[in-house]
Amino acid sequence: AQKVTQAQTEISVVEKEDVTLDCVYETRDTTYYLFWYKQPPSGELVFLIRRNSFDEQNEISGRYSWNFQKSTSSFNFTITASQVVDSAVYFCALSVTDNDMRFGAGTRLTVKP
Amino acid sequence: DGGITQSPKYLFRKEGQNVTLSCEQNLNHDAMYWYRQDPGQGLRLIYYSQIVNDFQKGDIAEGYSVSREKKESFPLTVTSAQKNPTAFYLCASSIEAGTSGRGELFFGEGSRLTVL
Repeated sequence: AQKVTQAQTEISVVEKEDVTLDCVYETRDTTYYLFWYKQPPSGELVFLIRRNSFDEQNEISGRYSWNFQKSTSSFNFTITASQVVDSAVYFCALSVTDNDMRFGAGTRLTVKP
Repeated sequence: DGGITQSPKYLFRKEGQNVTLSCEQNLNHDAMYWYRQDPGQGLRLIYYSQIVNDFQKGDIAEGYSVSREKKESFPLTVTSAQKNPTAFYLCASSIEAGTSGRGELFFGEGSRLTVL
């Protein structure tokens, strides 16, 4: 069975601080995909990144970076120099088959000015 | 602009009433999904459809029904059999995985249903 754990329910930081959102996943499959989504107050989830299980390279996109480590089954997300607009709920998700995307419970990030 | 449109955004229902949530996409995606989100929980899959006139139950399909008569549309009916229907409902779509791997989901802005 697939499972995603986001142990941090809520995080609060002050603007310009760096913040890391943790994601730990469980699967017995060797081929799988990991995702991060952002849910702003408007409600829709916005896709941030997809990573397949064969690509452990870390990725950086502007202030966002992702650290994928198969050895610890983790796919952590770091926001550098956080901004108020980063305030949202962030979801990590795992997909093995086409129609089985498992979401974590989400981490609510609040960035204070 | 291409995207997913859900309506209504807010809906109130009396106990015992059925209600239908609309989901329309113009992304030309084959696959469509309905998720339920409860406070402090991740998204849980209700139903999904990979092709017109075909759909499959997700983890929490009891008390819900769907149809897929057109590629663009995937309405969800919350029936009176759903014991705890108050929740936030999200519709999503995706390109079929094919050989390029599992595609990401594109979401609508959601419908918040409250049972009075």
